[in-house]
Amino acid sequence: GDSVTQMEGPVTLSEEAFLTINCTYTATGYPSLFWYVQYPGEGLQLLLKATKADDKGSNKGFEATYRKETTSFHLEKGSVQVSDSAVYFCALNDYGQNFVFGPGTRLSVLP
Amino acid sequence: DARVTQTPRHKVTEMGQEVTMRCQPILGHNTVFWYRQTMMQGLELLAYFRNRAPLDDSGMPKDRFSAEMPDATLATLKIQPSEPRDSAVYFCASGPQGSETQYFGPGTRLLVL
Repeated sequence: GDSVTQMEGPVTLSEEAFLTINCTYTATGYPSLFWYVQYPGEGLQLLLKATKADDKGSNKGFEATYRKETTSFHLEKGSVQVSDSAVYFCALNDYGQNFVFGPGTRLSVLP
Repeated sequence: DARVTQTPRHKVTEMGQEVTMRCQPILGHNTVFWYRQTMMQGLELLAYFRNRAPLDDSGMPKDRFSAEMPDATLATLKIQPSEPRDSAVYFCASGPQGSETQYFGPGTRLLVL
């Protein structure tokens, strides 16, 4: 079945550091890919998405590119802030039939 | 700013008791999801509705869990009888027709003693 794998956390960075959170997926078709963010005590919020190969999703300084050849959707940000501390989930949606979330990666940004 | 609402936000109960969690999806959204989040299992999809009809509840333990949408403004998740292993945060999410984006509620934190 479909699956999503994310890098193990927690990830701890200093403010203004560069962030990469790796995400790879397996799917039978050509899924849409998502990054969701969960702040403490809250539900998940959509951060960005990409619906086809080579699409780049971006929001709030975060970016991720849909790489079909490597089945990856790595999340990047050039300069993280303390307010970016949260848990980040990579997810896929396969033709609206199958919704799969990765295990989440906790990010802590220190001032 | 439209949001998914969930009640109760916190629930503590004893093993064997019935638990009902409620969700009000964003007005106009036609898809509703129920998820369970635990440290060990992460986020698991329990059930998925479109236009109030259940499309997938394969992730839900059928013997004790049930999910319904009595109308377009209310989704319920019921556990009867509850067990300590059901302790988790239960999220409801909704989505508009034709969109794959899900909008999550704040969750119900359930503790079964």
